[in-house]
Amino acid sequence: QSVLTQPPSVSGAPGQRVTISCTGSSSNIGAGYDVHWYQQLPGAAPKLLIYNNSDRPSGVPDRFSGSKSGTSASLAITGLQTEDEGIYYCQSYDTSLSGLGLFGGGTKLTVL
Amino acid sequence: QVQLQESGPGLVKPSQTLSLTCTVSGASINSGAYYWSWFRQHPGKGLECIAYFYYSGSTYYNPSLKRRATISVDASKNEFSLKLNSVTAADTAVYYCARRQNFGPVDYWGQGTLVTVPS
Repeated sequence: QSVLTQPPSVSGAPGQRVTISCTGSSSNIGAGYDVHWYQQLPGAAPKLLIYNNSDRPSGVPDRFSGSKSGTSASLAITGLQTEDEGIYYCQSYDTSLSGLGLFGGGTKLTVL
Repeated sequence: QVQLQESGPGLVKPSQTLSLTCTVSGASINSGAYYWSWFRQHPGKGLECIAYFYYSGSTYYNPSLKRRATISVDASKNEFSLKLNSVTAADTAVYYCARRQNFGPVDYWGQGTLVTVPS
């Protein structure tokens, strides 16, 4: 069981908006560590999607956005496209792990 | 463009040592801005950080591996390696090397390499 909790799955129709939550605690997200989000498409390595809670790397469409509040964070995807299907992971750090980094369990996005 | 490439055997016998190397191009592993890491992903599961090192020589290992992991560095080749001893079938996973910022995101990943330990 991951320290960062994500829903196992979400789904939406093309063009719709979905959100993925990432719930932590006072020793990780609540301690002030930033949250980062990754997209993993089938058979591929994870790809950085959102960093520092809400910033997008160059090349990531603005359909993807992130936010953080208290001990939780969220990833929102608007204008869903079939190519968005994959698994999404949140990542942060914890005061007990000496910079090791920890991930949520992942959320599988299905575009209906 | 920063690129990382894992290499090593895809099959390791139980109780033996898993050895992987990560070759980095487009960035120096001796630069002070980044941490160089190994991650793994068990089949159909999430991501786990195994270990990381910093150019100053500091390393940190996931306690869950019970001291079976070791990172070594060859700065002359811009490579770093992972050794995991006494492997079991539970160590079967895709192994990734990656670069991350201090308490920041993992911004570059290798393509990953599947290592299988038969039961």
